[in-house]
Amino acid sequence: GEDVEQSLFLSVREGDSSVINCTYTDSSSTYLYWYKQEPGAGLQLLTYIFSNMDMKQDQRLTVLLNKKDKHLSLRIADTQTGDSAIYFCAESGYYGGSQGNLIFGKGTKLSVKP
Amino acid sequence: EAQVTQNPRYLITVTGKKLTVTCSQNMNHEYMSWYRQDPGLGLRQIYYSMNVEVTDKGDVPEGYKVSRKEKRNFPLILESPSPNQTSLYFCASSPGDDLSGANVLTFGAGSRLTVL
Repeated sequence: GEDVEQSLFLSVREGDSSVINCTYTDSSSTYLYWYKQEPGAGLQLLTYIFSNMDMKQDQRLTVLLNKKDKHLSLRIADTQTGDSAIYFCAESGYYGGSQGNLIFGKGTKLSVKP
Repeated sequence: EAQVTQNPRYLITVTGKKLTVTCSQNMNHEYMSWYRQDPGLGLRQIYYSMNVEVTDKGDVPEGYKVSRKEKRNFPLILESPSPNQTSLYFCASSPGDDLSGANVLTFGAGSRLTVL
């Protein structure tokens, strides 16, 4: 079945760039998403990318998609302590006019050291 | 404020005692879904609903029921809770008719359930 894989932990120093990686197996994935979960809170959408795009940038966030290798990454520039959270990668399809269900990875816990 | 509201946020109960976790959204969203989050397992979908009176099983539906009698509400029912249903539960909703095709979910704050 469909699967989304991410490394479980990442630790960086404040001010450095963080890169969180994700791989997925479903070749029919149409949308790839990044969600952020802060402690004690629900998930919040950070950004998403359509599968015909290679890159999407939004302020400090850069998403890169390599569709051939089914690899997605999220780069956070100038990482701050407030970026400490769990980051979830997810994918969905689009079938006959209906949005597909999201398949989530297990999440990457980002720790930012001062 | 546009939001998804879950209640209760925290609940400790005993095996076999029926409980309902409510979920309500004020965004007129068509799509709603329930997930459970467990350490090392990430988010797993329990049930989802594309619209009123339309519900479908997700990846882990055993032991749960849902209903969608009206658009804004999507309660999760545990008829006879067991300790393996101890988890953090999230309700989420999305417009369901996004012309771009993306399924952009808005999540509730979560309900932490402990079954003794």
